[in-house]
Amino acid sequence: KNEVEQSPQNLTAQEGEFITINCSYSVGISALHWLQQHPGGGIVSLFMLSSGKKKHGRLIATINIQEKHSSLHITASHPRDSAVYICAVRIRYGGATNKLIFGTGTLLAVQP
Amino acid sequence: DTGVSQDPRHKITKRGQNVTFRCDPISEHNRLYWYRQTLGQGPEFLTYFQNEAQLEKSRLLSDRFSAERPKGSFSTLEIQRTEQGDSAMYLCASSFGVVEETQYFGPGTRLLVL
Repeated sequence: KNEVEQSPQNLTAQEGEFITINCSYSVGISALHWLQQHPGGGIVSLFMLSSGKKKHGRLIATINIQEKHSSLHITASHPRDSAVYICAVRIRYGGATNKLIFGTGTLLAVQP
Repeated sequence: DTGVSQDPRHKITKRGQNVTFRCDPISEHNRLYWYRQTLGQGPEFLTYFQNEAQLEKSRLLSDRFSAERPKGSFSTLEIQRTEQGDSAMYLCASSFGVVEETQYFGPGTRLLVL
């Protein structure tokens, strides 16, 4: 079982729909990242959060530390949101580590 | 463009050859990371530098892999005696900070070993 799991693996939506992508993890973490990867490889960091909720434009990320779960929401989705969305966590060790563990990603296609 | 550059963007090589990739991070960033991503999977951590010191290495980084960051600026990742299983996207990221921080990713180098 992967330490970081995402659902769904694939998601097709119509333009304008509200989208939710989920991430569950099984380890203690110091922070969780949401990343966006477009075809061709480029990865952009969307959010980094350790508690609560963050909002940037049409994107909202939430995290529940007790339940070890995070969600990424996209409001009023648009075809340009089509990409792979990846959840990554930094494990909380006794010592310092900066290693990120990644989920396998959610492939989102938003149709016009 | 995040400001992190990687060279080359694509590399095709024959099994058994050595390859070297370069990453130029954002100039003031003290931390640099290497990741590997295979098709349909999320990235996997390979190694991490703080300035010129290599502080963490994954078990994925066999003795055929070596990474350097000699002056705390650019970094190189060398794979010796390449194998077909080394075919992947190699991603570099950089960040600045002491505690939790955002990582900025380069465009990646796609390696194909024939």
